Amino acid sequence: IAGITQAPTSQILAAGRRMTLRCTQDMRHNAMYWYRQDLGLGLRLIHYSNTAGTTGKGEVPDGYSVSRANTDDFPLTLASAVPSQTSVYFCASSGTSGSNEQFFGPGTRLTVL
Amino acid sequence: EDKVVQSPLSLVVHEGDTVTLNCSYEVTNFRSLLWYKQEKKAPTFLFMLTSSGIEKKSGRLSSILDKKELFSILNITATQTGDSAIYLCAVEGGNFNKFYFGSGTKLNVKP
Repeated sequence: IAGITQAPTSQILAAGRRMTLRCTQDMRHNAMYWYRQDLGLGLRLIHYSNTAGTTGKGEVPDGYSVSRANTDDFPLTLASAVPSQTSVYFCASSGTSGSNEQFFGPGTRLTVL
Repeated sequence: EDKVVQSPLSLVVHEGDTVTLNCSYEVTNFRSLLWYKQEKKAPTFLFMLTSSGIEKKSGRLSSILDKKELFSILNITATQTGDSAIYLCAVEGGNFNKFYFGSGTKLNVKP
C-alpha cells in the first residue's frame, strides 16, 4: 500500500441496510478523518480521530459511527442507510505535530436507494 | 462558529487569462491554510500557508496568506484548459485541530 486507500470504490445500497466503508493508511499518521462531499456543499467533516483509540464528531455525524482500533484503519459505518446519505465519501489522514498537509483517499461513491 | 468561505463559487475564463480565487476564514486556533485542486477524484495538495505575507509559488500558481485580515488568495497566471477543476481552501484549527473546508471554486478554462 502506498498512501491511503478506500474500499469499496462505489456501492449501491438499499435503504435500511448496514454498510461499512473501509479506510487504511500506511503513513503512520496519527490523525484520520471522514468527509462527505455533496454538490454545492464542499467537503463536510463527519467524524475524526486524532490518535488511535480516540474519535470525535465533526459537522455532520448523525447516522454514522467510526472506530479507531489501530493507527492504520479508520472504518466508517452506516448502521441503517438512508437516501440522504447518498454522497461521495473521502477518508483523509494527517500528522499531528505542527501544521500538516492532509492526504486524501480516492473516495467511495455511495448510492442509497 | 468556525467557517471558511470561498469566492467566487464558479468562474469561466479563456486560456491565457489570469484568475484570482479568494478564501476568507473565521477559525479559532488557526494553524495553517491549505489549497487543494480537485479534478475527477480526490483533492490533491497545492500549498500550505502558515505565515502572513510569504508567497508560495509553484509554476503558474501562487498563493499568499493575510492572517490579520483572515484571508488567502490563489493566483493562476496564463491559465490552461488543464487548470479546469474545483479549487478547495481548508483551514486547520479549532479545538481539536480539525480541517474546515470551503465549498470550493469551480474554474472552467475554455480554449
